[in-house]
Amino acid sequence: NAGVTQTPKFQVLKTGQSMTLQCAQDMNHEYMSWYRQDPGMGLRLIHYSVGAGITDQGEVPNGYNVSRSTTEDFPLRLLSAAPSQTSVYFCASSLTGQGRSDTQYFGPGTRLTVL
Amino acid sequence: KQEVTQIPAALSVPEGENLVLNCSFTDSAIYNLQWFRQDPGKGLTSLLLIQSSQREQTSGRLNASLDKSSGRSTLYIAASQPGDSATYLCAVLDNYGQNFVFGPGTRLSVLP
Repeated sequence: NAGVTQTPKFQVLKTGQSMTLQCAQDMNHEYMSWYRQDPGMGLRLIHYSVGAGITDQGEVPNGYNVSRSTTEDFPLRLLSAAPSQTSVYFCASSLTGQGRSDTQYFGPGTRLTVL
Repeated sequence: KQEVTQIPAALSVPEGENLVLNCSFTDSAIYNLQWFRQDPGKGLTSLLLIQSSQREQTSGRLNASLDKSSGRSTLYIAASQPGDSATYLCAVLDNYGQNFVFGPGTRLSVLP
């Protein structure tokens, strides 16, 4: 199993540009989520999905969109990038719920810089 | 709103020492607590998960305890090794099971 994969690893955008961060898992996990990690603030939940076709907002959803058309993929879209979105983005998955009784698996992260 | 803090922010110890990392949370109504390890430039790796009904979990040289009523968890690392150098994060899942709240982490350096 490849686990949770994310692409790209690094990205530089200009303010106002759009892009999609890709996340895929091959473990047949129902639950997938996106976090951002900023210095001194820990990880904060952006959006999550409990299964294909179902998504919901986390703590910091503004400026981001998600969709879940398949169990395997959970892309994160930035429609109009802002410097405040400069961060490291992590995708995570777990078998059933958000770590209720099972482990969350994290991808390697995407480091995004918005100029 | 749940808040998670970790003390100390950074810790440097010589190889072989036993050490304790601390995690505190403000709302005791949690579903579980999880400890993670993060290596520089990498994602998070789950170390231990403690359900709210449990007091501790052990894995090899790691032992995590949970005192829900006081809002505290500790991660004990026995006989530390240079390979243990990483950032350790704790996270709590609220009772609604919707949102993991992470602490800022403790950066550990184990010196050979």
